[in-house]
Amino acid sequence: GAVVSQHPSWVICKSGTSVKIECRSLDFQATTMFWYRQFPKQSLMLMATSNEGSKATYEQGVEKDKFLINHASLTLSTLTVTSAHPEDSSFYICSARAPAGGLISGNTIYFGEGSWLTVV
Amino acid sequence: AQKVTQAQTEISVVEKEDVTLDCVYETRDTTYYLFWYKQPPSGELVFLIRRNSFDEQNEISGRYSWNFQKSTSSFNFTITASQVVDSAVYFCALSEALSNTGKLIFGQGTTLQVKP
Repeated sequence: GAVVSQHPSWVICKSGTSVKIECRSLDFQATTMFWYRQFPKQSLMLMATSNEGSKATYEQGVEKDKFLINHASLTLSTLTVTSAHPEDSSFYICSARAPAGGLISGNTIYFGEGSWLTVV
Repeated sequence: AQKVTQAQTEISVVEKEDVTLDCVYETRDTTYYLFWYKQPPSGELVFLIRRNSFDEQNEISGRYSWNFQKSTSSFNFTITASQVVDSAVYFCALSEALSNTGKLIFGQGTTLQVKP
């Protein structure tokens, strides 16, 4: 079964509204999670590193006030796209690294199923 | 800076043909990991392999094989006797030592189309 779960898988929202995407680690605690964005027919680009209990680290060019990341617990990180616009329509996918010594393969990176966002 | 290059944007083969997907990487790290993922149209990333920088042994898993050459900074992926179900986008990715981080640098991806 899934080790990292994302929700929702699909979301359509109106321009100007905000939408939240959740990323959960199901079988392990993840102090660090990662958020990627993939535009159609393009590669996956790292947006930010989500750190449990502290501020996220954003990659160059990613607006931190637009893409709010909250990592309030060791199993949940959320990405909120604020004031969404059609150009934010994309595939968003998260990943988490399982720590060494756990029940599942340590130091393995697991990806969520991804979330398709369409802003109309 | 780390970089992954997949020069082949699209490859089209006929079923049962062998196909090799190229991956060239750049890194200054002495310890790093290389990955291959398959992305079907549904979008999820299917993990295929992880290889650390100290292990240059080639690996075979069924119809899949990987050739890691540190001398040329390449990590190529071969599918033998391709099947229609192999049609997908394939990504090569690089990360520094996983104990320090877990973020991946992805190549541009290669779209493989296997025709019946």
